[in-house]
Amino acid sequence: KAGVTQTPRYLIKTRGQQVTLSCSPISGHRSVSWYQQTPGQGLQFLFEYFSETQRNKGNFPGRFSGRQFSNSRSEMNVSTLELGDSALYLCASTGDGNSYEQYFGPGTRLTVT
Amino acid sequence: GENVEQHPSTLSVQEGDSAVIKCTYSDSASNYFPWYKQELGKRPQLIIDIRSNVGEKKDRRIAVTLNKTAKHFSLHITETQPEDSAVYFCAATAGGTSYGKLTFGQGTILTVHP
Repeated sequence: KAGVTQTPRYLIKTRGQQVTLSCSPISGHRSVSWYQQTPGQGLQFLFEYFSETQRNKGNFPGRFSGRQFSNSRSEMNVSTLELGDSALYLCASTGDGNSYEQYFGPGTRLTVT
Repeated sequence: GENVEQHPSTLSVQEGDSAVIKCTYSDSASNYFPWYKQELGKRPQLIIDIRSNVGEKKDRRIAVTLNKTAKHFSLHITETQPEDSAVYFCAATAGGTSYGKLTFGQGTILTVHP
């Protein structure tokens, strides 16, 4: 099976703009989780989508949002970008049933100037 | 919410030595504990995991132990090799409908010197 893919891989935006990142999970996986990785804060959970519904949410402001489509692909959006939003955004997918294993995509490196 | 503490933040060993990384968690409902290895510029890679109904799990040179009473779990790497050099993250989740939400430790930079 193909692994988790993310597009774009790199992105440069200006403060105040908005951005949309995309994640395609492993085929058959219905759960998609998003994380922000920064040198100072490490890996922090943003939210998780399962069957097109947000099932879990982290402690990020409302500027961070997401959605999931019927084919399990997911997007996350960040509005009114701030310098502090510069980070590596990782998504991970998990299979159903008794499997809790999360597999990560390569990430999108977002730089806000 | 869950809080995961990881120690040490950096670890330097000679090739062939063993390396141990320790994590503690706060939420007694946590029941799944994965470990990830992240090489520079690459994605986190799941290397081993353990569930709360198991005390120890081993995969070749890597083992993980879990002490539910003390709420801590550890990663053991034996016969370390230079290619083991990376950042290692522990994580925890309560499972159930929360399994998509992993809480990570701060990471350990492991350097294996030839």
